Amino acid sequence: DTGVSQNPRHKITKRGQNVTFRCDPISEHNRLYWYRQTLGQGPEFLTYFQNEAQLEKSRLLSDRFSAERPKGSFSTLEIQRTEQGDSAMYLCASSLVGQGYEQYFGPGTRLTVT
Amino acid sequence: AQSVTQLDSHVSVSEGTPVLLRCNYSSSYSPSLFWYVQHPNKGLQLLLKYTSAATLVKGINGFEAEFKKSETSFHLTKPSAHMSDAAEYFCVVSEDWDDMRFGAGTRLTVKP
Repeated sequence: DTGVSQNPRHKITKRGQNVTFRCDPISEHNRLYWYRQTLGQGPEFLTYFQNEAQLEKSRLLSDRFSAERPKGSFSTLEIQRTEQGDSAMYLCASSLVGQGYEQYFGPGTRLTVT
Repeated sequence: AQSVTQLDSHVSVSEGTPVLLRCNYSSSYSPSLFWYVQHPNKGLQLLLKYTSAATLVKGINGFEAEFKKSETSFHLTKPSAHMSDAAEYFCVVSEDWDDMRFGAGTRLTVKP
């Protein structure tokens, strides 16, 4: 399968713990996006990378959240000191600049903070 | 600022009958518009996109949408619903390829 993959698919954690999610984009795609989706809502933009550079961060991305894409390939999203309000589906998408730009989404990581 | 409103949170149709999912948008520029579908436990899949070419856009699985600037609408239609069409559908507006605003979604139920 050459689509976007995300791991883990599900994560249950206790409040106050740190969690890290991984996204592997489509291999030739140079842009990578993170979104958060809560129940009954559409995805909300968090941040995006072009290659290894993080170009934009949403106001939704508090300082407990950090994202990296160290070699311009896979990306990680870390949430420190998780809160119950962080419970959501975290979606990753990738796109190729200059080739239609449409974003291809992974299946998401569902985070539950207890 | 750009935004999108999906007028129905839930639409229920019978198999074989037409589907209409309504979307209105707000944008200061000439936006790009998309429809995505989300099946349970699957990633969002692009159904179709409008990028200032033909106003009637054909997508996958028999879906199409018409861009109407005067009505600021981009409704999604399909002539005949299939059971496999049951899913969540999202209308998306974008003024900039890196800034996509999703609607709240419309859940489509297809009855046998």
